[in-house]
Amino acid sequence: EPEVTQTPSHQVTQMGQEVILRCVPISNHLYFYWYRQILGQKVEFLVSFYNNEISEKSEIFDDQFSVERPDGSNFTLKIRSTKLEDSAMYFCASSGEDTQYFGPGTRLTVL
Amino acid sequence: GEDVEQSLFLSVREGDSSVINCTYTDSSSTYLYWYKQEPGAGLQLLTYIFSNMDMKQDQRLTVLLNKKDKHLSLRIADTQTGDSAIYFCAEKYGGSQGNLIFGKGTKLSVKP
Repeated sequence: EPEVTQTPSHQVTQMGQEVILRCVPISNHLYFYWYRQILGQKVEFLVSFYNNEISEKSEIFDDQFSVERPDGSNFTLKIRSTKLEDSAMYFCASSGEDTQYFGPGTRLTVL
Repeated sequence: GEDVEQSLFLSVREGDSSVINCTYTDSSSTYLYWYKQEPGAGLQLLTYIFSNMDMKQDQRLTVLLNKKDKHLSLRIADTQTGDSAIYFCAEKYGGSQGNLIFGKGTKLSVKP
């Protein structure tokens, strides 16, 4: 069964460093999303992406965040200058019709 | 703003039925979802219901939707220890490809 994959599973970085989280969506899906879950809190929407551009973004998705689909398979989330409060689990999701399928997540730890 | 509320904990005995409840605020939601998250794992789609349906059954899972009260429930029949996990209710906001708004999750503990 096709699935969304994410790498790395765990990323540790120093405050102020740039990180890139990678996702491979399900191959025939056209809509892509990033969500995050701070420990013990709700899963929060960050951004949606369709046809090579951002469709929607939340208040969380400020100028330090960017997304890209650099080739036909990968979908990336870049955080330019990480802060302590960016520590969270980041989930990628993709959607074909009505349902979003999530990857296993990348745990980002900012020290 | 839009919000989804769930109770945080539920404890049941193996073999009993579990009922996890959820309320949501966006009356225009087209789809409502249940996701399961096991420790250290991602979000697994369990089931979903279209807003013009009252009920959907899928093996041991039954979803009930009361659109008037904006209340969604997930019933798990014959609950097993392997069902222990966090269950998230989510509504789709903003159209057919909109983003999901999640509740905080209900931690289901199944005692043998």
